Amino acid sequence: NAGVTQTPKFQVLKTGQSMTLQCAQDMNHEYMSWYRQDPGMGLRLIHYSVGAGITDQGEVPNGYNVSRSTTEDFPLRLLSAAPSQTSVYFCASGELRVSVETQYFGPGTRLLVL
Amino acid sequence: GDSVTQMEGPVTLSEEAFLTINCTYTATGYPSLFWYVQYPGEGLQLLLKATKADDKGSNKGFEATYRKETTSFHLEKGSVQVSDSAVYFCALKVAGSYQLTFGKGTKLSVIP
Repeated sequence: NAGVTQTPKFQVLKTGQSMTLQCAQDMNHEYMSWYRQDPGMGLRLIHYSVGAGITDQGEVPNGYNVSRSTTEDFPLRLLSAAPSQTSVYFCASGELRVSVETQYFGPGTRLLVL
Repeated sequence: GDSVTQMEGPVTLSEEAFLTINCTYTATGYPSLFWYVQYPGEGLQLLLKATKADDKGSNKGFEATYRKETTSFHLEKGSVQVSDSAVYFCALKVAGSYQLTFGKGTKLSVIP
């Protein structure tokens, strides 16, 4: 199993550009989520999904869109990037039957918005 | 709302020293408590967890006890190694919620 994979590993954007951060998992987990990690802030939840076709907002959803068309994939879209979105983004997945207490994290995408 | 407060870092220790990283929390419901570890350049990994009061989580020589009376979940290890150098995050999840609430992280550096 590859676990949770994220692409790209690093990206530089200009203000106003759009992009999609990819996340995939091969563990058949129902639950998937996106976090951002900022210095001195810990991790904050952006969006999450409890199954294909079901998504919901986390703590900091503004400026981000998600969709879940398959169990495996959970892409995060930035429609118009802003410097405030410079961060490290982590995708995570977990099994709903254990109440997602054990979440498996991907290696992260480092995003710089100029 | 829910929140987690953990001791500010960075923490620098010599190999074989005793480690304590303090963590306290406030929660709107009954929480499960976790410690995650992030090694350089990697994502977070679950280190240990406790789901009810007085439970002790343990893994890789690390321990933490769920203290409801003091709303704490301090991480301890009796003898740290250089390989323990990482950032440690305390987190909670309230029953019925999908969201993990993280502390800000504590960076640990262990020197030979």
